[in-house]
Amino acid sequence: EAGVTQFPSHSVIEKGQTVTLRCDPISGHDNLYWYRRVMGKEIKFLLHFVKESKQDESGMPNNRFLAERTGGTYSTLKVQPAELEDSGVYFCASSPYRKLAGGTDTQYFGPGTRLTVL
Amino acid sequence: GESVGLHLPTLSVQEGDNSIINCAYSNSASDYFIWYKQESGKGPQFIIDIRSNMDKRQGQRVTVLLNKTVKHLSLQIAATQPGDSAVYFCAENIVPPGNQGGKLIFGQGTELSVKP
Repeated sequence: EAGVTQFPSHSVIEKGQTVTLRCDPISGHDNLYWYRRVMGKEIKFLLHFVKESKQDESGMPNNRFLAERTGGTYSTLKVQPAELEDSGVYFCASSPYRKLAGGTDTQYFGPGTRLTVL
Repeated sequence: GESVGLHLPTLSVQEGDNSIINCAYSNSASDYFIWYKQESGKGPQFIIDIRSNMDKRQGQRVTVLLNKTVKHLSLQIAATQPGDSAVYFCAENIVPPGNQGGKLIFGQGTELSVKP
């Protein structure tokens, strides 16, 4: 079974440009999450999709970040316009749907996209 | 507030020794905790988890201990091997009522180095 994949693995852009990150979750996983790790700091939650719906976007830093998951399969995270402080590693994770609300399941992480804004 | 943190940023051990990595959390309502291992260039990899109704759980060479009284979590690795060298994160799973899944709150990470 293929794991979570992310594209690109690295991206270097200039301040003010736009970048779109892509995540393909494990097939059949309804839950999809975005996290990021800024240099030297902990991994922080950005948002959570259940299928195509945003369940929780409390971690999104500001309106320069837009996440979508049309069709409930892969997801994209767009940063527009990018700022220096957006540099970091962006992780995507997925987990299966749980029939019992409030349940938990292991989140499987992708390798991440390293974003550098110059 | 919500925070999960680690006591030590780095840990160096001799191959074959046991390793203990510690973590403190502050949300007393949390009921699910996970340890992840992250190797260079890779994403966090699940190691072991534990629910709040347990105080100990064992896996292959790894044991997680949970002390809810002092809100402390630890990961023990037996007979540490060079392949165990990585950054280890504890994480707290916070699930809103009636919700699916739930976000993870991570600590800063402890870098484990194994000397041959």
